[in-house]
Amino acid sequence: QKEVEQDPGPLSVPEGAIVSLNCTYSNSAFQYFMWYRQYSRKGPELLMYTYSSGNKEDGRFTAQVDKSSKYISLFIRDSQPSDSATYLCATSGNAGGTSYGKLTFGQGTILTVHP
Amino acid sequence: EAGVAQSPRYKIIEKRQSVAFWCNPISGHATLYWYQQILGQGPKLLIQFQNNGVVDDSQLPKDRFSAERLKGVDSTLKIQPAKLEDSAVYLCASSLRGNYEQYFGPGTRLTVT
Repeated sequence: QKEVEQDPGPLSVPEGAIVSLNCTYSNSAFQYFMWYRQYSRKGPELLMYTYSSGNKEDGRFTAQVDKSSKYISLFIRDSQPSDSATYLCATSGNAGGTSYGKLTFGQGTILTVHP
Repeated sequence: EAGVAQSPRYKIIEKRQSVAFWCNPISGHATLYWYQQILGQGPKLLIQFQNNGVVDDSQLPKDRFSAERLKGVDSTLKIQPAKLEDSAVYLCASSLRGNYEQYFGPGTRLTVT
């Protein structure tokens, strides 16, 4: 079993749709939960991070973590064609722990937003 | 602020040949990472440096892969000899605080034939 599982999609939605991207993880030591966005032929870039459980909102993006069910979500509201990319969830442990700063990625979900 | 630089961007070699990749991190970033990203998968950490010391190389295939960061700035990753399954994008990343906030370069796309 992989430490972080992510539905690879692909996911195709019309412009303006609400997009839901999800991951599950197995290691309860993970405390930091990130979403990276990767455009074609580019390196990943950090989109959002959440520490422990809860929600975090940044513009059209909302990240949610439910540690009780080991579930990570990213919601994109009013999706735009420029959001078309691969979205990678990632996890990391606490400072002082062996997994701090060591990102464990899901396999990525390919999202296409068509006009 | 300049980003993470990597070269070459693309490389095609035959199996059993050797290859080297170069990375220059963001200025001032003490932590440097090399990741391998196989097509359709997320990046997998190969090695993590803190300044010029190795923090984690548990997933580095040490029989064929080596990496160094001699002066605590730029780094090279070498594969010798290459296998077909090494075909992937090799990503370099750097971090100021050695945490989740990592900045990635554009990667080197390696094809082994």
